[in-house]
Amino acid sequence: DAGVTQSPTHLIKTRGQQVTLRCSPKSGHDTVSWYQQALGQGPQFIFQYYEEEERQRGNFPDRFSGHQFPNYSSELNVNALLLGDSALYLCASSLRAGVSQPQHFGDGTRLSIL
Amino acid sequence: GEDVEQSLFLSVREGDSSVINCTYTDSSSTYLYWYKQEPGAGLQLLTYIFSNMDMKQDQRLTVLLNKKDKHLSLRIADTQTGDSAIYFCAETPPGSQGNLIFGKGTKLSVKP
Repeated sequence: DAGVTQSPTHLIKTRGQQVTLRCSPKSGHDTVSWYQQALGQGPQFIFQYYEEEERQRGNFPDRFSGHQFPNYSSELNVNALLLGDSALYLCASSLRAGVSQPQHFGDGTRLSIL
Repeated sequence: GEDVEQSLFLSVREGDSSVINCTYTDSSSTYLYWYKQEPGAGLQLLTYIFSNMDMKQDQRLTVLLNKKDKHLSLRIADTQTGDSAIYFCAETPPGSQGNLIFGKGTKLSVKP
């Protein structure tokens, strides 16, 4: 049973660049949520995708956008990168948005901004 | 308060019990979760409890929930060196569509 997979595992970018992170949900899951985890902090919710639409959004600027594909996989895009965007980006999947099903996390993408 | 709060550090000896405490924000939260994060890894779901329960046991793990005080605890029996990690408490408040609000995590160190 494949769990949540994320790619790439590490990424280095410079300020002002754009980045795309990818996530494949756990088999059988249809909902993907993205979180940002700064060093020494708990994860912060960015947004959630279900049925290829953004369903809910946390307190993140419009530079953060996403997409969900018909096979339920998802992308997180960040434009105009800032030093403060350096973090571990975690993808979580679950079954059926709006129902409190446990979220299962991938190992994350560590993004470093120089 | 508006944050999920946890103490930052806990140190125990191998074989002892560990108790990690958490105070959450919304007494209406439906589910409460414990996740484990090892260095360089993502979050592993350990266990979760529905708000109409006050206790849940799963092998070495026992979760206690006090809704009146909005207090959640995780007890790990017979703690092993492999239990060394950061443990996160998380809640799903009403209207959150199941998305999680996390504490800052408790770093558990297990000494041999």
